[in-house]
Amino acid sequence: GENVEQHPSTLSVQEGDSAVIKCTYSDSASNYFPWYKQELGKGPQLIIDIRSNVGEKKDQRIAVTLNKTAKHFSLHITETQPEDSAVYFCAAILNDYKLSFGAGTTVTVRA
Amino acid sequence: SAVISQKPSRDICQRGTSLTIQCQVDSQVTMMFWYRQQPGQSLTLIATANQGSEATYESGFVIDKFPISRPNLTFSTLTVSNMSPEDSSIYLCSVGASGSLEQFFGPGTRLTVL
Repeated sequence: GENVEQHPSTLSVQEGDSAVIKCTYSDSASNYFPWYKQELGKGPQLIIDIRSNVGEKKDQRIAVTLNKTAKHFSLHITETQPEDSAVYFCAAILNDYKLSFGAGTTVTVRA
Repeated sequence: SAVISQKPSRDICQRGTSLTIQCQVDSQVTMMFWYRQQPGQSLTLIATANQGSEATYESGFVIDKFPISRPNLTFSTLTVSNMSPEDSSIYLCSVGASGSLEQFFGPGTRLTVL
């Protein structure tokens, strides 16, 4: 199966600064890489995803980059706001629709 | 995306009892999955809920402990049987459509076993 590693485990940033979370995966056949945001007491929310045939994708203040050769992908949040504080999970899918998750990153945005 | 609801939202149960968690979707979906999220941890896939047939379980999870039903394309249940305190977790269902890799999660059921 797929093994996904995620770093850092915690991240504290000043409001307005950028946050970057990095993940690596083990199986080069993985072809889909979603990112989820989980707020306290809620289920994970899909915020952005990228497929293996794309190198970068952006949606307003968030962007994801994928390096297939190195088997790593990253989430970038610019101009962070207090409402960005949450736990973020990266994940990867092989061809069987089963999500393998990273360990999660707790992001705290300081006002 | 589909609207997903889970019942109950939370429960406190005694060891040795069983709890059935329901997942309801407002539209027909091809794929339904059940995940466990232990306190402060990531999500682990328990099983794929197959409509009209037995669920497909991941390594470390067995049908006797986590029986799953999926009678139609909008509804599934997960039962946590003979519970122990180690079963205290958030249980989440997720759904996906055929031909799409996107998965969306329900709000979760927060289970505490005493």
